[in-house]
Amino acid sequence: AQKVTQAQTEISVVEKEDVTLDCVYETRDTTYYLFWYKQPPSGELVFLIRRNSFDEQNEISGRYSWNFQKSTSSFNFTITASQVVDSAVYFCALSDSFYSGGGADGLTFGKGTHLIIQP
Amino acid sequence: SQTIHQWPATLVQPVGSPLSLECTVEGTSNPNLYWYRQAAGRGLQLLFYSVGIGQISSEVPQNLSASRPQDRQFILSSKKLLLSDSGFYLCAWTRRGHQESGYTFGSGTRLTVV
Repeated sequence: AQKVTQAQTEISVVEKEDVTLDCVYETRDTTYYLFWYKQPPSGELVFLIRRNSFDEQNEISGRYSWNFQKSTSSFNFTITASQVVDSAVYFCALSDSFYSGGGADGLTFGKGTHLIIQP
Repeated sequence: SQTIHQWPATLVQPVGSPLSLECTVEGTSNPNLYWYRQAAGRGLQLLFYSVGIGQISSEVPQNLSASRPQDRQFILSSKKLLLSDSGFYLCAWTRRGHQESGYTFGSGTRLTVV
């Protein structure tokens, strides 16, 4: 069965500091997809990134970067020079079972990390 | 472009009352549809998913039910709400057969059972 662990329940940093959110996943499938979503106080889930299991290249998008390491089953998210607007709950999620179950059975989410950026 | 609509945005209902939350998707056909619940301070739990009209899969036993009367409509219901049904309910869709393309979520319904 798949599982996503976000061990950091809450992180508080001062603005402009760099911060890394950890995500560790478990799956028996060789084909899977990993996602990060941002949930601001308003509640909606904002898609940030998708990564498939065959692409281990790290990705950078502005102040955001993601480090995918299959060897440690981790998909960590780093915000550089954090800003107050980055304050939100961040979820890591996994989608697998593309061959065994068709992959239709949704995303498995971690419990989320509440990121607080203090001015 | 595809959009997903979810309503109402907030709802306060007494214990024992019925519930109906609606979700519709526009701009696509044959989507996979999902209902998630987020209890206060917790992660998102998949409640139901559907790969077609009338096809509902339940992930957890509960007081809730789901229906898909039309291709792009997904309804979450309860005959009698419990206090434990309070939470934030999110509907989501993805392209059938292309789940890797990503999941798009609605804006959510915040349900408080009193």
